[in-house]
Amino acid sequence: SQQGEEDPQALSIQEGENATMNCSYKTSINNLQWYRQNSGRGLVHLILIRSNEREKHSGRLRVTLDTSKKSSSLLITASRAADTASYFCAAYSGGGADGLTFGKGTHLIIQP
Amino acid sequence: NAGVMQNPRHLVRRRGQEARLRCSPMKGHSHVYWYRQLPEEGLKFMVYLQKENIIDESGMPKERFSAEFPKEGPSILRIQQVVRGDSAAYFCASSTGTSKNIQYFGAGTRLSVL
Repeated sequence: SQQGEEDPQALSIQEGENATMNCSYKTSINNLQWYRQNSGRGLVHLILIRSNEREKHSGRLRVTLDTSKKSSSLLITASRAADTASYFCAAYSGGGADGLTFGKGTHLIIQP
Repeated sequence: NAGVMQNPRHLVRRRGQEARLRCSPMKGHSHVYWYRQLPEEGLKFMVYLQKENIIDESGMPKERFSAEFPKEGPSILRIQQVVRGDSAAYFCASSTGTSKNIQYFGAGTRLSVL
């Protein structure tokens, strides 16, 4: 089964608005990470939240984690055109399974 | 401190040829991961290596695909007798291997099989 399913698949908002993306996963995790991918490029790590944390902030990013619902959300506040990218959540289970399990991503478009 | 370096950035092969993708991890990183990304899809884990050892290859196809990370030199992902379905972006990531497992990604190699 696949972990890290994001929704929505695509999101288009106006510059300055907030963007919220959600992620669900299926099995227990050690931590959950969010990455950004600009078109045709590699992934850039944005933020990590451990399984025993509920909320984390980094600049304009806010991540929440609900382990009872096996879900996470990424909020980008005061969006900018440069935030246009695909955003992926990645579940890290640990315990010898060291590859990250990615979802299909949310494609975010910020309209100027 | 150079990031994860992958080459080539683009690779074109005809069906039946071999593809070799290279990855040099970040300085100080001894853990390397390979992922494949199909168009409009997320990344799928293929293999996790440490120097001279394959730790987890649960995501690797059983045939035609192999990976190595020698004591000296870059990690190599090798695809023998490529088929059109192998066309994808292949990303390499490296980490220090701590419990956080934050991985740093290269820009990827885009393989096109004609």
